[in-house]
Amino acid sequence: QSALTQPPSASGSPGQSVTISCTGTSSDVGGYNYVAWYQQHPGKAPKLMIYEVSKRPSGVPDRFSGSKSGNTASLTVSGLQAEDEADYYCSSYAGGNNLNVFGTGTEITVL
Amino acid sequence: EVQLLESGGGLVQPGGSLRLSCAASGFAFSSNAMSWVRQAPGKGLEWVSAISGSDTYFPDSVKGRFAISRDNSKNTLYLQMNSLRVEDTAVYYCAKDLPGSGWQFDYWGQGTLVTVSS
Repeated sequence: QSALTQPPSASGSPGQSVTISCTGTSSDVGGYNYVAWYQQHPGKAPKLMIYEVSKRPSGVPDRFSGSKSGNTASLTVSGLQAEDEADYYCSSYAGGNNLNVFGTGTEITVL
Repeated sequence: EVQLLESGGGLVQPGGSLRLSCAASGFAFSSNAMSWVRQAPGKGLEWVSAISGSDTYFPDSVKGRFAISRDNSKNTLYLQMNSLRVEDTAVYYCAKDLPGSGWQFDYWGQGTLVTVSS
């Protein structure tokens, strides 16, 4: 199972919006509405930000939103804040015994 | 408050074995699916095993070498790693499944480092 494809980096100024993509196949992203996004600060464990494509866990700001079209999912961070600077990973259910596949990761920089 | 605390990491030679543990608290451990996810130094995340009831799951990269188990009486998850390779070097995270989410993880431990080197 190959990793999902994400851009290595993205950036924006405080208050701006940034959108990052996550491209898979019809066997993972395109086949199920089970896409999640995780935020990871350096030296810390990942934190769930979005699940089931567009749902936010309790406590996650509504500045974070998710969507999907075909084999590509997207995460949008609106109103960028300094604390949003981190690595972001997408993840999708992949079926069979390969339950889960992660993306390659995107580093968001707040300029 | 959900807490997951991994232990058991360390330095091991190629071909060796290691058992990781994850002590869980703050939720109904026995009724929740669990997973292990690893992250090689400077690299991305990789799911390496999951357990739901008595069913276990592994990607091809570790199948036949890793085993996952749990002791519900101790609220503890385990990962037995055999025939370790240099490329298994990583921080190993224990993660709690978010029910009904298609194997996504709502809580993670702080991780334990496994280094495979001669």
